[in-house]
Amino acid sequence: EPEVTQTPSHQVTQMGQEVILRCVPISNHLYFYWYRQILGQKVEFLVSFYNNEISEKSEIFDDQFSVERPDGSNFTLKIRSTKLEDSAMYFCASREGQGGPPLHFGNGTRLTVT
Amino acid sequence: QKEVEQNSGPLSVPEGAIASLNCTYSDRVSQSFFWYRQYSGKSPELIMSIYSNGDKEDGRFTAQLNKASQYVSLLIRDSQPSDSATYLCAVNPNTGNQFYFGTGTSLTVIP
Repeated sequence: EPEVTQTPSHQVTQMGQEVILRCVPISNHLYFYWYRQILGQKVEFLVSFYNNEISEKSEIFDDQFSVERPDGSNFTLKIRSTKLEDSAMYFCASREGQGGPPLHFGNGTRLTVT
Repeated sequence: QKEVEQNSGPLSVPEGAIASLNCTYSDRVSQSFFWYRQYSGKSPELIMSIYSNGDKEDGRFTAQLNKASQYVSLLIRDSQPSDSATYLCAVNPNTGNQFYFGTGTSLTVIP
């Protein structure tokens, strides 16, 4: 069964450094997402991406964050200057289309900012 | 603000019992509803999708939707220790791409 893959599984970085989290969505999916989950808290929406542009973003997704689909398969989340509070599990997800299909999640990247 | 509310639990049931998980949502135009299971430290895994009022059964799982009451539930029959996890309710309005998640209900099945 096709799956969403994320790399790395764990990233440790120092405060103020830039990080790039990588995702390969399911190949025939059209909508791509980043969510995050701080330990013990709910899954929070960051951004959705369709047709090579951001379709929705949350208040969390400020100027420190950016997303890109540099080629036909990868989908990346960049955090320009990491803060301690960015420490969380970051999940990439994709879905086939709008109006019904579920999200399929990757295994996540645990980001630790020290 | 579109809200999805779940009892945080923890909910404990003995092995073999029925576990009942509940979710309410605030956005009346929501059309697609999902239950995800999340083991500690892992990603959410889709269990059920439901789009119409009534019941939908898949193995030991039954999802129930009542749009008039803005209520969706998940029943797990013959609960197993391997069902111990956090169950997330997710709602997708037909307008927009975003999925709204509840805080999750922690379920423990006691052998």
